[in-house]
Amino acid sequence: GAVVSQHPSWVICKSGTSVKIECRSLDFQATTMFWYRQFPKQSLMLMATSNEGSKATYEQGVEKDKFLINHASLTLSTLTVTSAHPEDSSFYICSASSGVNNEQFFGPGTRLTVL
Amino acid sequence: AQSVTQLDSQVPVFEEAPVELRCNYSSSVSVYLFWYVQYPNQGLQLLLKYLSGSTLVKGINGFEAEFNKSQTSFHLRKPSVHISDTAEYFCAVSVEGSNYKLTFGKGTLLTVNP
Repeated sequence: GAVVSQHPSWVICKSGTSVKIECRSLDFQATTMFWYRQFPKQSLMLMATSNEGSKATYEQGVEKDKFLINHASLTLSTLTVTSAHPEDSSFYICSASSGVNNEQFFGPGTRLTVL
Repeated sequence: AQSVTQLDSQVPVFEEAPVELRCNYSSSVSVYLFWYVQYPNQGLQLLLKYLSGSTLVKGINGFEAEFNKSQTSFHLRKPSVHISDTAEYFCAVSVEGSNYKLTFGKGTLLTVNP
C-alpha cells in the first residue's frame, strides 16, 4: 500500500527557534498533501492543503507566516514552525493524496515539544 | 459545509463482545466516507471507506460499516472484538470538489477489557 513517512518522529526545541518537519510519499506521487494538528485526546484539525508547485491554502485561524508550508516536489512537503512557543507543542500529522479514489494516506506523526 | 458527529466519545466493551461505533454526517452533496483507527502516538490507519456501490463495506481487522443515506449514517461494527482493538476511531467525510479535504469527527475511544 501507499506509504507516507514523517521526519522527525519527535522533536524538542527551545522557545523562539524554528522547527522543520518533512513529509514524504515513498511509493507514489502526491499531488496534494495535507497538514493536521492534533491536541491530546482530540480530533485532527486541518491546518492547510498544499498542491505541488503552488502556494498552500490555509484553514481559517491558521497563521500562514508562522506555519510555513512548502510542497516543492510530488513526494515531499515540509512544515516549518517559525519562532515556536510552548503553545505550538502538539502532534503534527501529514497526509498525501495521489488523486485516486479520494483517499489520503497518513504519516506516523511528529510530536513537537517546545520548552 | 459538511460535518461529522461521533455520538460516543468512549465505548468500553469486553473481549469477544460485538461493538458498534456510531457516526452521522451532514452534507448537501454526495459524500465519501471513511473510518480510521489511531493507536497511541501513531498516525491514522484506514479501516475502510465508502466511495460508491454496495452500502455494506468490509475493511481490515474484521471491521465493516454500512452507509445509510436516509439516516445519514456510517456506523462501524465488529462482531467480536479483541484486546488489540483498543484504540481511537475516527469517522471522516469528504465531498466532491473539495480537493479531497477530510472533515473528521471527534473520535471514539474503544476500550476492550478482558
